[in-house]
Amino acid sequence: DAEITQSPRHKITETGRQVTLACHQTWNHNNMFWYRQDLGHGLRLIHYSYGVQDTNKGEVSDGYSVSRSNTEDLPLTLESAASSQTSVYFCASSSLTSEQYFGPGTRLTVT
Amino acid sequence: AQKITQTQPGMFVQEKEAVTLDCTYDTSDPSYGLFWYKQPSSGEMIFLIYQGSYDQQNATEGRYSLNFQKARKSANLVISASQLGDSAMYFCAMREGPGGYNKLIFGAGTRLAVHP
Repeated sequence: DAEITQSPRHKITETGRQVTLACHQTWNHNNMFWYRQDLGHGLRLIHYSYGVQDTNKGEVSDGYSVSRSNTEDLPLTLESAASSQTSVYFCASSSLTSEQYFGPGTRLTVT
Repeated sequence: AQKITQTQPGMFVQEKEAVTLDCTYDTSDPSYGLFWYKQPSSGEMIFLIYQGSYDQQNATEGRYSLNFQKARKSANLVISASQLGDSAMYFCAMREGPGGYNKLIFGAGTRLAVHP
C-alpha cells in the first residue's frame, strides 16, 4: 500500500544545530507540503513543492529550507535550530485532484 | 486577516446525538475547496470530507455531512449519531484556486469530547 512516512518521529536537539526532518511518500504525488502544528494555531504551512526542482515558501518559512530532487522525498532543514521551532511537524502529499495525505508527524524539541 | 475561523475551541456531545462544528472562511477567489480533518489523540491527520465551491450539493460521507452556506461563507461539519471514537480535534481547512495548486490554510481547530 502507498504511504507517507516521516523520520525521525521524535527529535531533541540543541539551539544552533542544523536539523533535517525526512519525508518520503510512495503515492507518486507531485505535490508535497510541510506544516508545523502549535497550540492555538492549527497547522501552518512552511514550504511546499509542486514537482521536482520546484520549491515555494509558505506562511512561516523563516529559518527553514527544503529541496526536491526526486518525486518521493521532501526533506525539511532547520539551518540553525531555535527554541521557537519546537513544534510538531507534518509532511503531506497530494495529486492534482486529491485531498492531502499526511504523514504521522515529527515531534521536535529544541533545548 | 484570518482566512479560516473556528470559533469553538471545545465542544461536548452525548453519545448518539448529532453535533455541529462551525467553520467560516474568507476568500475572494471564486474557485476554492473546503476540507475537514480529524486528529485523534494519537496525532495523525485523517481526511473526513471535502466541498468544492462549485458543488451544487452539500457533501456527505457516512455520518459526516458538510453544511455549506456559500453566501454566509460557512462550511460547518455535522456529525450524526456521535460515537466515543469521535472524540478528537477537528480542523477546517481551505484551498484557494483550482485543484492543481492546493496548499491549505487551516483553522485553529475544535476539540470535541463525546460523553457516554
